[in-house]
Parts: sequence; structure tokens; C-alpha cells
Amino acid sequence: KNEVEQSPQNLTAQEGEFITINCSYSVGISALHWLQQHPGGGIVSLFMLSSGKKKHGRLIATINIQEKHSSLHITASHPRDSAVYICAVRQGAQKLVFGQGTRLTINP
Amino acid sequence: NAGVMQNPRHLVRRRGQEARLRCSPMKGHSHVYWYRQLPEEGLKFMVYLQKENIIDESGMPKERFSAEFPKEGPSILRIQQVVRGDSAAYFCASSRGGADQPQHFGDGTRLSIL
Repeated sequence: KNEVEQSPQNLTAQEGEFITINCSYSVGISALHWLQQHPGGGIVSLFMLSSGKKKHGRLIATINIQEKHSSLHITASHPRDSAVYICAVRQGAQKLVFGQGTRLTINP
Repeated sequence: NAGVMQNPRHLVRRRGQEARLRCSPMKGHSHVYWYRQLPEEGLKFMVYLQKENIIDESGMPKERFSAEFPKEGPSILRIQQVVRGDSAAYFCASSRGGADQPQHFGDGTRLSIL
């Protein structure tokens, strides 16, 4: 079993829909990252969380340390949000352990 | 304020050759991390370096792979005698260090082995 599990693996939605991507982890962590990767592209760090909730534009990330669970929400989704979203947890000093990613497709 | 710079973006090598991947961290960052993304797989940690020191190399293959981060210049990930299975995207990230500091990623180097 992977230390970091994401669901769903693939998600297709219509423009404007509210999107939720989930991440569960089984190890102790010091922080959790949400990352975005476009096909053939680089990786952009969206959020780093150690507790509570963060919001940036249409993106919201939450984490529940007791339940070892985090969610990434996208409001009013747009085709340009289509990408792979990756959850990563930081263990120990600095090393990141990654989920397999969620491939999001937003259709116009 | 340039981000993390990786070069080359794409690198093609024949089996048995050497591959050198470079990473210049963001200004003010002294911590560098290398990650590998094999085709259709998730990202995996390889190595964590500070200036002139390897802090954690638990994700590095035991043979043919090495990394350095000299006092001056970029961090280098070196793969000797490349094989087809080394084909992957290699990402570098940097940070200021410290538990509250995020890692910033480069655009990656896509390595293809013929």
C-alpha cells in the first residue's frame, strides 16, 4: 500500500463544476504539498499546509491532521485547470513522498 | 527573480553514454532536491543536498548515479553508462531549508535513452 493515496485517479468534469481531489496518508508528516503538473510541463507548487485551510483564488486546500487526510477544491472550474494534481507529504527533514496524481480534465 | 533553472530541458543519450543534468536553485536557496518521474509513474525522491554536502541519498540507485552541489555553480546529477530504464523526467527543487519552507520546482529535464 502506498504511503500517499489520492482519489480519484482520473476526473472529468464540465466547465464551472466544483472539483474535489482527496489525499490520504499513512505516515507522520511535517507538512503536505499540493502540486500541479501540466502535460510535458514543469511542476508548480500550489499549497503547503501543516494545519487548517488555505485559499488562493479559486483553489482551496484543507488538511485534517488527526484523520491524515487533505482535500484540494477548485471552484468554478475552467478548461485551463486541466492538469495532473499531485499530493506530496514531507517526512523528516525535507524529503517529499508523492501520491500517484489525479488527472483532471475540464471540458468546455 | 528567476525560479529554479534546469538544463537541458531535453537530453538524448545512447546506451552506455553519460548524462549530466544541471540545476541552479532559486536565489537565496541552499537546499536542493532531485526527484525522478518514470513514464506513467509518480515522482520519487532521489537525493537531498546542501552546499557541498549530501544530506540524504536514500533514493539514489546504488550504481551509476551520483549527485553534487558544489560551493560555486549548479547542482549536478550524473548518470554514468545510461540504460533504457533511465529514461525519465528528472526534476530539481530548491528551498531555504527549515520545516516551514516550501520547495520550488524546476521545469525538469526529459532524458531519453536510445
